[in-house]
Amino acid sequence: DTGVSQDPRHKITKRGQNVTFRCDPISEHNRLYWYRQTLGQGPEFLTYFQNEAQLEKSRLLSDRFSAERPKGSFSTLEIQRTEQGDSAMYLCASSLQRQGREKLFFGSGTQLSVL
Amino acid sequence: EDQVTQSPEALRLQEGESSSLNCSYTVSGLRGLFWYRQDPGKGPEFLFTLYSAGEEKEKERLKATLTKKESFLHITAPKPEDSATYLCAVQPRRSGNTPLVFGKGTRLSVIA
Repeated sequence: DTGVSQDPRHKITKRGQNVTFRCDPISEHNRLYWYRQTLGQGPEFLTYFQNEAQLEKSRLLSDRFSAERPKGSFSTLEIQRTEQGDSAMYLCASSLQRQGREKLFFGSGTQLSVL
Repeated sequence: EDQVTQSPEALRLQEGESSSLNCSYTVSGLRGLFWYRQDPGKGPEFLFTLYSAGEEKEKERLKATLTKKESFLHITAPKPEDSATYLCAVQPRRSGNTPLVFGKGTRLSVIA
């Protein structure tokens, strides 16, 4: 069973450092989403890709955040000059959109702690 | 603005004590309503999608129902392994793709 895979599972960094997370979606899925989740809250949408095109970014996504999905396969999310407020679980999800319907399947997430 | 409100925030049940979780939503048209289960430190696990009022879906001890304003997740004779946070999300119906909007979840504890 090859679900959505995220790496690393945990990341501890110091304020001001850059971090990069990776997501490997389910292979036949054409859409890939990044969400962020803090304790006691539901996931909040950050951005999504259809194949290699980044089609939407949330207002939550400051210019310190950048995401890529080269060749429509895996995706990376980079946070530059991290701040303590960036501490959260970063979730990746993928889906296959058919006839206007889709189911999102999530990875286990990357837990980021900024000290 | 699209909004999802889940209640209660937390629920504690004895094993075998059936109950329901509520998800109220405000959207300008609904494409789909989703239920996920999330265990601590893990990503959400897909449970159900409902697309139209009156629709119901079941899986083991869980049954999800949908009306025009809310959805219920009914848990029948729960077991301790059902303890988790249950998340509700809506996908608004607008032109193009619309990302899921999540509620804050209901933390369910089932005591043996």
